[in-house]
Order: sequence, then C-alpha cells, then structure tokens
Amino acid sequence: DTGVSQDPRHKITKRGQNVTFRCDPISEHNRLYWYRQTLGQGPEFLTYFQNEAQLEKSRLLSDRFSAERPKGSFSTLEIQRTEQGDSAMYLCASRTTGNNSPLHFGNGTRLTVT
Amino acid sequence: QQQVKQSPQSLIVQKGGISIINCAYENTAFDYFPWYQQFPGKGPALLIAIRPDVSEKKEGRFTISFNKSAKQFSLHIMDSQPGDSATYFCAASGQARGSTLGRLYFGRGTQLTVWP
Repeated sequence: DTGVSQDPRHKITKRGQNVTFRCDPISEHNRLYWYRQTLGQGPEFLTYFQNEAQLEKSRLLSDRFSAERPKGSFSTLEIQRTEQGDSAMYLCASRTTGNNSPLHFGNGTRLTVT
Repeated sequence: QQQVKQSPQSLIVQKGGISIINCAYENTAFDYFPWYQQFPGKGPALLIAIRPDVSEKKEGRFTISFNKSAKQFSLHIMDSQPGDSATYFCAASGQARGSTLGRLYFGRGTQLTVWP
C-alpha cells in the first residue's frame, strides 16, 4: 500500500496524559498537512509542512500541540496534557508540489480522551 | 466563520435516483474545488475536482456543476447506488498570497443514504 499511513488507528488515553501520533506520507510528496475532524464536521486544518519546514499553524493548534517533520519524510503530532475536547479524528494528508495537486488523506487516528 | 457552506446535511435517495449536494463560498481567491467521499472509519478520498475556468466536469456517474458568478458549485451523482452511501464533503482552496498553499477549507458534509 503506497498511500498515506497513520499510526495508531485508535488511541484511548486519560485526561492529562500525553499522546503522539505518526504519519507516513506518500514518498514523493513534499507537502504534509494535519487536519482534525470531529463528529458531523468536515476536517479542520491544523498545520502544514513543506519538506521539514512547518510553514503554518492554525489558531486551533494550542500550545499543547506540537508537530514535527524532522527529515522531511514522516511527521509526528504530539498533544500534551490531553483534554476531553481533544477527542477527535486526527487526519494526515500529503500532496506533491504543484498547482492544486490532489490531497491524499490517511485513514486517521481516532483519539478518545476519558 | 465557515468558508464553505454545504447543504443538505443529510440526503436519502432511492437506488437509481439523482443525488444533488450544493456548496457555496465567499472567498473569490478560491480557485480549486474538490469533492471528497468518506466512509465510516476511513479518511476522505478525492472523488472529483473542478477549477473555475470550466462550468462542468463529469467523471462517470459524478458531475460537478460550477457557477462562478453565484459562487456556488454542486455535485450530482447519477444512477445512485447503495455503495454510494457515504459522507460527501465539498472543499475549496486558493493560491492567494497569505493563504497556506493547498490548504483546503471543507464544508460540514452531507450524509448520503441510497436505499436499494
């Protein structure tokens, strides 16, 4: 499978714990995005990388959230001191450089904070 | 503020019928309008996309109609099948200076159910 891969698929954690998710984009894609999706809503943009550079962060991304893409390949999204409101599906997507090249999504990590 | 407004929220169609989902936007800098299909437990998958230089694009049973002056676009699913039952999202993005390159703004989704 050469699509966008995310791990884990599901994560249940207690409030206050830290969690980290991983995304492996399609190999030739230099642009990587994180989105968050809650029930009954469309995906909402969180942050964007071009290669290893994090070029934009949404206001949705509080100080408890941090994302990295150290070698311009895989990316991690960490949430510190999780809150119940963080419960959502976290989606990773990637695309090539190019005017409106298609954005390919992974199947997401479903986070449940209890 | 919702950049892309989508309706209806849910849609029930009989097998063989036409499903129509509508979206509207305000930002005239948007120049790319994709539709995504999402099944439960899966990520959104690109279905079809259009640029504002054409008024219609057809791929198989799926057609996008685009009205630039009204800032509206719609997805038509012809001969709807039970396998089309999913959530559909419209989206938009633009290349305007200051916008994240390729960042998509999504509608809230339409849950389509096709009865056999």
